Amino acid sequence: EVQLVESGGGLVKPGGSLRLSCAASGFTFSNAWMSWVRQAPGKGLEWVGRIKSKTDGGTTDYAAPVKGRFSISRDDSKNTVYLQMNSLKTEDTAVYYCTTVWRGSSDYWGQGTLVTVSS
Amino acid sequence: DIQMTQSPSSLSASVGDRVTITCRASQSISSFLNWYHQKPGKAPKLLIYVASSLQSGVPSRFSGSGSGTDFTLTISSLQPEDFATYYCQQSYNTPWTFGQGTKVEIK
Repeated sequence: EVQLVESGGGLVKPGGSLRLSCAASGFTFSNAWMSWVRQAPGKGLEWVGRIKSKTDGGTTDYAAPVKGRFSISRDDSKNTVYLQMNSLKTEDTAVYYCTTVWRGSSDYWGQGTLVTVSS
Repeated sequence: DIQMTQSPSSLSASVGDRVTITCRASQSISSFLNWYHQKPGKAPKLLIYVASSLQSGVPSRFSGSGSGTDFTLTISSLQPEDFATYYCQQSYNTPWTFGQGTKVEIK
């Protein structure tokens, strides 16, 4: 059974940093593309970014609002994908979901972790 | 960035109704269009990928169609568990972008 478990969310001040982790199991993680999607309170879904598998180049892409501040990385030895968030703004407050990517879709989702950016 | 526009933003329907939600892309995205639904407090769930392929385990009352810029999600006979918010998403170009959502409510 595919499982994605996010952790690392919490309260952080504007300008601060946070690293989210997503521990994966139930599939061959090293072959998977992974993505992060967020949802601000009461709002719709927003794609944050994606990392390809190392065999596909391991490259990353990001949405404009987070480019240059957020970075996605992976540790295939730990079956874990990370979202490093720097220079956080109040508008980054959201539930952050980790997903697997297959044929461009997010086929499995974690339960989400809440990030609150507030002074 | 490719903009995705869903219509309507919300709708009221009864159990057993046929429901159609549309999604329009700001440029051609071939068939790189996915549909999800989300219930309050839960993670979204994939329903349809590449415009018309039904995700494993999703009931056959859900179907998707379209290509280019115009796409449709149809629920042939609405069930109580289908009341949720529905999102389309394009994966033709990064950044992959979502529509604003369509809330399906009980009439």
